[in-house]
Amino acid sequence: SQTIHQWPATLVQPVGSPLSLECTVEGTSNPNLYWYRQAAGRGLQLLFYSVGIGQISSEVPQNLSASRPQDRQFILSSKKLLLSDSGFYLCAWSSGLLDNEQFFGPGTRLTVL
Amino acid sequence: SQQGEEDPQALSIQEGENATMNCSYKTSINNLQWYRQNSGRGLVHLILIRSNEREKHSGRLRVTLDTSKKSSSLLITASRAADTASYFCATNAGGTSYGKLTFGQGTILTVHP
Repeated sequence: SQTIHQWPATLVQPVGSPLSLECTVEGTSNPNLYWYRQAAGRGLQLLFYSVGIGQISSEVPQNLSASRPQDRQFILSSKKLLLSDSGFYLCAWSSGLLDNEQFFGPGTRLTVL
Repeated sequence: SQQGEEDPQALSIQEGENATMNCSYKTSINNLQWYRQNSGRGLVHLILIRSNEREKHSGRLRVTLDTSKKSSSLLITASRAADTASYFCATNAGGTSYGKLTFGQGTILTVHP
């Protein structure tokens, strides 16, 4: 069966510090991968998605970047965090088929102080 | 702007009652999906309905889709306290969207025992 992991679960970082959040998927190959941010427990905003190794598409201009160094690894990074980067970050994967549901990781709660 | 918009934003009911949540969207879709999120957790897929379907059932869940009105509803029958969560609709535009989903702002459902 497939599983998706995210770490860390929670993170408190000072403004201006770097960020690296990791997401890994097990039990599937060549998944589509997604990073979302959720503010205040409301709707999800798609930040990045990837359909293959090294392929990253950005949905919104921002202070963040993403990378996919391996087939089932997706990393969200920032060189210098802003207060506005605080939020709940969710990674998800899908099979890439036409009618595909997305499977979400447990999320990372990021607080920038 | 968000593709999907849920209504109501919050819903409070007693155990045993039915809960109905609505979702409206703006552009053509390939399918519409409903997800559930318990507080501070990742999202869990509930049900997917394709654009050529009008109604779908899964256990105590019933989803309808009206593409002419660009709207969907999620009905949870005989609700339980454990159904307390946020519920999100998400639309998949299909085509070359790479499985991307556009999420609404969600409905917060509280079921009182």
